[in-house]
Amino acid sequence: AQSVTQLGSHVSVSEGALVLLRCNYSSSVPPYLFWYVQYPNQGLQLLLKYTTGATLVKGINGFEAEFKKSETSFHLTKPSAHMSDAAEYFCAVNTGFQKLVFGTGTRLLVSP
Amino acid sequence: GAGVSQTPSNKVTEKGKYVELRCDPISGHTALYWYRQSLGQGPEFLIYFQGTGAADDSGLPNDRFFAVRPEGSVSTLKIQRTERGDSAVYLCASSLGQGNQPQHFGDGTRLSIL
Repeated sequence: AQSVTQLGSHVSVSEGALVLLRCNYSSSVPPYLFWYVQYPNQGLQLLLKYTTGATLVKGINGFEAEFKKSETSFHLTKPSAHMSDAAEYFCAVNTGFQKLVFGTGTRLLVSP
Repeated sequence: GAGVSQTPSNKVTEKGKYVELRCDPISGHTALYWYRQSLGQGPEFLIYFQGTGAADDSGLPNDRFFAVRPEGSVSTLKIQRTERGDSAVYLCASSLGQGNQPQHFGDGTRLSIL
């Protein structure tokens, strides 16, 4: 069975600082990996996905993630945080059986 | 184009009542999913439809929960004899149907059982 671990329920950064949100997965087969963002009282919006090919994936709003098979990780980064990035971020894995398995989420707080 | 639409956005009802939650997927998406998100948690899978049939209903918590998609488009999640523990946000998503295709989510229905 697949699972996802997101380290840190809350991450605080200053505006302009590097954002790093951690995600580790467990899967017995090559996974498909996704990052979603959720703003208050809204559904989940896809930031980026890894399926096959290039291990560095670029997404929307300046975010990117790197798939590292040896570390079973798919950490999300952004070079410079903006106030509008404050939200809940979810990492999810899909091993081809359609359903997504989500982590518990990381709330990103951005201070001026 | 239009995204996934869920109605109602909020539903408050009393314990023991029956509720129906509706999901209208993105046009052309053959796969439809229901998830439940409790406060402070990530979404948890409930059921997945490919076309009209439920391909995987392993996430439904018990037989009070049921979902249909009779024409392969709109889906309804039905909960009988609601309990306070059913209170959560119910999210619907749709996709083109392959595992590597991203799922697109609606804004959810916030269900509160008093």
